Amino acid sequence: KNEVEQSPQNLTAQEGEFITINCSYSVGISALHWLQQHPGGGIVSLFMLSSGKKKHGRLIATINIQEKHSSLHITASHPRDSAVYICAVFNFGNEKLTFGTGTRLTIIP
Amino acid sequence: DSGVTQTPKHLITATGQRVTLRCSPRSGDLSVYWYQQSLDQGLQFLIQYYNGEERAKGNILERFSAQQFPDLHSELNLSSLELGDSALYFCASSVGVLAGGRDTQYFGPGTRLTVL
Repeated sequence: KNEVEQSPQNLTAQEGEFITINCSYSVGISALHWLQQHPGGGIVSLFMLSSGKKKHGRLIATINIQEKHSSLHITASHPRDSAVYICAVFNFGNEKLTFGTGTRLTIIP
Repeated sequence: DSGVTQTPKHLITATGQRVTLRCSPRSGDLSVYWYQQSLDQGLQFLIQYYNGEERAKGNILERFSAQQFPDLHSELNLSSLELGDSALYFCASSVGVLAGGRDTQYFGPGTRLTVL
């Protein structure tokens, strides 16, 4: 079993829909990152979470440390949100980031 | 634009060869990270440097090595290349102040390596 599991693997939605991407992990962590990888390959860091909830524009990220689960929400989705969203956890024990396999999101106009 | 630069953008080479990938971090960032993204393995952490010193090591093969120079740029050296080394190689940088992986990392555009 992978240390970091994301669901769904692929998600297609209509413009304007509310999107939820989930990330579950099995190790003790000190931080969780959400990344966005554009179709051209570039990677952008969206959020770093160690507890609670963060919001940036139409994006919201939450983490539940006890349940070892995080969610990324996109409100009023837009075709420009189409990308791969990657969850990564920082294992304080071995000081490295471990990545999920990503969720490919496609928003149809 | 993240402020992190990587050269070259594309590299095509043959098996058995050696290549060097270069990364310049954002101004003021002391930490540099190297990642490999292949189709079958996804993103994997290779190695981290902080202010010239190796800080953490991930799934880096013995054929690979890296260093961070006094001006903070970093190089990743890949030798005895195999077909399976074909991948996107990303460099990222961060300030390097916060412990426990709490630094935001800024990613470069990547170097696409093709081994024929």
